[in-house]
Amino acid sequence: GEDVEQSLFLSVREGDSSVINCTYTDSSSTYLYWYKQEPGAGLQLLTYIFSNMDMKQDQRLTVLLNKKDKHLSLRIADTQTGDSAIYFCAEKGGATNKLIFGTGTLLAVQP
Amino acid sequence: DTAVSQTPKYLVTQMGNDKSIKCEQNLGHDTMYWYKQDSKKFLKIMFSYNNKELIINETVPNRFSPKSPDKAHLNLHINSLELGDSAVYFCASSQKSQGVEAFFGQGTRLTVV
Repeated sequence: GEDVEQSLFLSVREGDSSVINCTYTDSSSTYLYWYKQEPGAGLQLLTYIFSNMDMKQDQRLTVLLNKKDKHLSLRIADTQTGDSAIYFCAEKGGATNKLIFGTGTLLAVQP
Repeated sequence: DTAVSQTPKYLVTQMGNDKSIKCEQNLGHDTMYWYKQDSKKFLKIMFSYNNKELIINETVPNRFSPKSPDKAHLNLHINSLELGDSAVYFCASSQKSQGVEAFFGQGTRLTVV
């Protein structure tokens, strides 16, 4: 199947860490991605991880991949109000390079 | 200099009309895509072209017809628009051989009334 699941909503206070979780189904995915969508805007690639990696850190962002459980997470340290957006995980499916997106998590950052 | 640009940004039209959305990328990529985002924010691929050839055609009504006149352009034509076609349509591009990042346009918000 091609279901990529995320929790729908996460609320945190400014300065706290946010952790957004994602489960995917295609064990042959080569890359897994996190995209950010601000209101009324397009999709911005935040970070990605190759499937043979367990962790990737990029400034305030940490991606963890548990390939056995097909679980991906995005941790945002020191969350700011500007981080409020919808976050989509995505897996790259097979030879066609199509992206299969998760259901999206709305992150609300309270001042 | 916009990498992936779509026009128009907003489109309001009546049921039954035919409309087109245009997409252009200046990244030199060989693969372009159309994705649809519905009112619940679910994103799903519709079509993909590689070097002007159709390589992905998901279960999409045949009222939707993509056209790729060259590698840098992928247009989406929709016939006999229905209320359920209301959504945000995103164009994207990537380089198949490198295969890491897909760049997205800003989206076209289509509203059918």
